[in-house]
Amino acid sequence: GIQVEQSPPDLILQEGANSTLRCNFSDSVNNLQWFHQNPWGQLINLFYIPSGTKQNGRLSATTVATERYSLLYISSSQTTDSGVYFCAVAIIQGAQKLVFGQGTRLTINP
Amino acid sequence: NAGVTQTPKFRILKIGQSMTLQCAQDMNHNYMYWYRQDPGMGLKLIYYSVGAGITDKGEVPNGYNVSRSTTEDFPLRLELAAPSQTSVYFCASRGGRIIYGYTFGSGTRLTVV
Repeated sequence: GIQVEQSPPDLILQEGANSTLRCNFSDSVNNLQWFHQNPWGQLINLFYIPSGTKQNGRLSATTVATERYSLLYISSSQTTDSGVYFCAVAIIQGAQKLVFGQGTRLTINP
Repeated sequence: NAGVTQTPKFRILKIGQSMTLQCAQDMNHNYMYWYRQDPGMGLKLIYYSVGAGITDKGEVPNGYNVSRSTTEDFPLRLELAAPSQTSVYFCASRGGRIIYGYTFGSGTRLTVV
């Protein structure tokens, strides 16, 4: 099956710093999503981005489908950005069964 | 609008016991999913459903069963609990258009001792 690899596994930054999280996948996809899991375990859908670039406030994401990777950018980090960021992909229409990477744990220190 | 509601939030089971994790959504979504998340790992798909009366296995279905008698409810049944089923279980749903994304429940933390 499709493999999803995220890097780095852990990232510790000071408040105000910028960060880039990477997601590589092993096959062509028609669905790629970024999720944030906050320290309380809640999963929030950030972006649906199978290709191209999207921005939402301080967060933006770019997927280069032909090269099988996606990047999540976080600018001017805040402590509330802490948590685990997951990339998930799907290659089949219909049920869209997402395959998750192992996540990047981001810690923002004040 | 409550979204996806999971109950219970926490549960401790003894080896060999059985239980049902409840999941309900009020968004009239056709697609529903059950995932498990082991410590430090990503989510793995257990079962999914594309509509009432239709379910199918995901990546890690062994030891679990599901049913989907209504659009709103998608319970997950654990039979003969084992320590390997200690995990956090998430239910999710989505509508027909993928662009609107998935909605996840708050999870059920299950410990089997």
